[in-house]
Amino acid sequence: QQQVKQSPQSLIVQKGGISIINCAYENTAFDYFPWYQQFPGKGPALLIAIRPDVSEKKEGRFTISFNKSAKQFSLHIMDSQPGDSATYFCAASKRETSGSRLTFGEGTQLTVNP
Amino acid sequence: NAGVMQNPRHLVRRRGQEARLRCSPMKGHSHVYWYRQLPEEGLKFMVYLQKENIIDESGMPKERFSAEFPKEGPSILRIQQVVRGDSAAYFCASSPQGGQNTEAFFGQGTRLTVV
Repeated sequence: QQQVKQSPQSLIVQKGGISIINCAYENTAFDYFPWYQQFPGKGPALLIAIRPDVSEKKEGRFTISFNKSAKQFSLHIMDSQPGDSATYFCAASKRETSGSRLTFGEGTQLTVNP
Repeated sequence: NAGVMQNPRHLVRRRGQEARLRCSPMKGHSHVYWYRQLPEEGLKFMVYLQKENIIDESGMPKERFSAEFPKEGPSILRIQQVVRGDSAAYFCASSPQGGQNTEAFFGQGTRLTVV
């Protein structure tokens, strides 16, 4: 019930291409879905987040698509750049949990080739 | 405004020793969270603390692990009698309030190696 499943585990994209990472959750109490970007040796940094009252959120080249009925959400990176090469984590939290306790997916290692 | 500060960045301990990991939250933040990241895995929640209080420790192992966030000074994650399986990256995050789904800012982590 608490799991967030993420795929693919790794992804290689050419510069200028679209990177797509998918996540699925089971717990319908989850109502906040952030994506984090992590570079080697660094801590995770919030990239973009969505709540289930909208189906899509876009910030620059990054878009979250959310499908509440399927309990799935995805990250799309448009015009992918070598500097986007990092590990991406989806996460979820639920309203009745105090604070910012997050349940993370297993991560996707993205490589963007020049 | 400095970010979340963790030290040390790298820590090597022999089996059976104690590890003490420190976390200073961002200025103005009074809520601290600890997460553990095993190699090739995602982050797993361990504990959520406010000043002088443990709010949620449901992710903490029952033995050898403890955490505190005193009125003054950094939050401390303490691991007693470390074993090789404790080798991981430990991340601290802080937030300005304990409201639901408030963004948490992460530190750069402490990488613990048990030899």
